[in-house]
This record gives sequence, C-alpha cells and structure tokens, in this order.
Amino acid sequence: NFMLTQPHSVSESPGKTVTISCTRSSGSIASNYVQWYQQRPGSAPTTVIYEDNQRPSGVPDRFSGSIDSSSNSASLTISGLKTEDEADYYCQSYDSSNLWVFGGGTKLTVL
Amino acid sequence: QLQLQESGPGLVKPSETLSLTCTVSGGSISSSSYYWGWIRQPPGKGLEWIGSIYYSGSTYYNPSLKSRVTISVDTSKNQFSLKLSSVTAADTAVYYCARRHSTNLDYWGQGTLVTVSS
Repeated sequence: NFMLTQPHSVSESPGKTVTISCTRSSGSIASNYVQWYQQRPGSAPTTVIYEDNQRPSGVPDRFSGSIDSSSNSASLTISGLKTEDEADYYCQSYDSSNLWVFGGGTKLTVL
Repeated sequence: QLQLQESGPGLVKPSETLSLTCTVSGGSISSSSYYWGWIRQPPGKGLEWIGSIYYSGSTYYNPSLKSRVTISVDTSKNQFSLKLSSVTAADTAVYYCARRHSTNLDYWGQGTLVTVSS
C-alpha cells in the first residue's frame, strides 16, 4: 500500500494564491484519481476537487487541482484567498485493491 | 437530497465492541453505482479510512484494522453498519459514514463521537 504526504500547515494572506501538495510514496500518482476535501471545524469534510481536477457544482473556480508525474504529487491551488477558505484540506486516493487512502491533512491559515 | 445519519452508543468500554449504524435516506443503498464506507477522525487528528462495502456485500478493510472490523449492509432497512471489536482508548474518534460515487466521497454523515472509557 502507499501513503499520501501533505505539509502539516500552510498560511497566506487574503487575495493571494496558495498551493497544497500531496506526494504519493509508491506507485504512480497518475494511477488513481486524487480527490481533495475541505473540512471546517466541527463539520464533515466536503469535496472541493475530484478526479484530479474536477470541481463539484457550487465550488468556486478559485479552487483547482492538478497532478505532476515528475514529482509524483498532486496539488490543490486556491487563488484569491478568502478568510472563509481557512480550513483543513485532505487529499485522498485509492489503491489497486479498492482501499481508500487519505493524506494526513493540511491546515490552511488565511491571515 | 441524500442524507446519511450515524447512530450508536457514544461511550464504549475498553475491550468491548463498538457498533454503529448509518441510515441512508433520500436514495437507495442498493444502487450499483455506489460504495458505502466508514471513516474516523481521532480528536485533533486526521481522517482514517476504516472500511467500505458494496450493496452486494463485498467488503474492503483498512489492513491496520482488518482483524477487528466487520462492515455489513441491510438493504431492506437502507442501512449499513460497523462493528469494531476489542476497542481501546486509541479508538476514540468521530466516526463518519460516507458514500463513494465513482471516485468521489460525495455525501457524508454529520459524524458521531465515540469515546472509549471505563
């Protein structure tokens, strides 16, 4: 099985752009789709990106996702940061045996 | 609108079995398009996948928990359930149920806190 590694925390100012990485420990990042979930305190996670770069309806286009095979990582980019974007973000994927894998989560602070 | 609701005891004694049920409303658990899963989150920590089930009964478990976990589905009640045996304080967490559609965990329950303590 593989692991997904995220930075513990990132911070940026309102209006700026931030990128959160998610590195796969073994196997190709392109082998299985990556999802990104936002979790605000006291709430269940919600999807901001699925299938590497797709946005669910209702998620603003300030949120975008990508994968980079050279670094074997996925990235979540949030542009035009708003204070309401402050939350924990988790990447997630699947392995070949249909097991679900979560990254450790990244706390985004908008200050 | 699909809704998932976890239910079960909020307090479980060490060495006993934790049992939770997720009731699905606003849609059928029997659809071939979905998997149904359990995820937990210890206080102040990240998300951990416990296991998942297909409506047919096929199950998939986190290898680190596999020896203690059983997930089952009751299509007549539109519910699926989690049993985690021999619990310790390390199993204290908020437990979520969720639906997987294709690759996306698109619906989650609100979560229920289960504390393991004597």
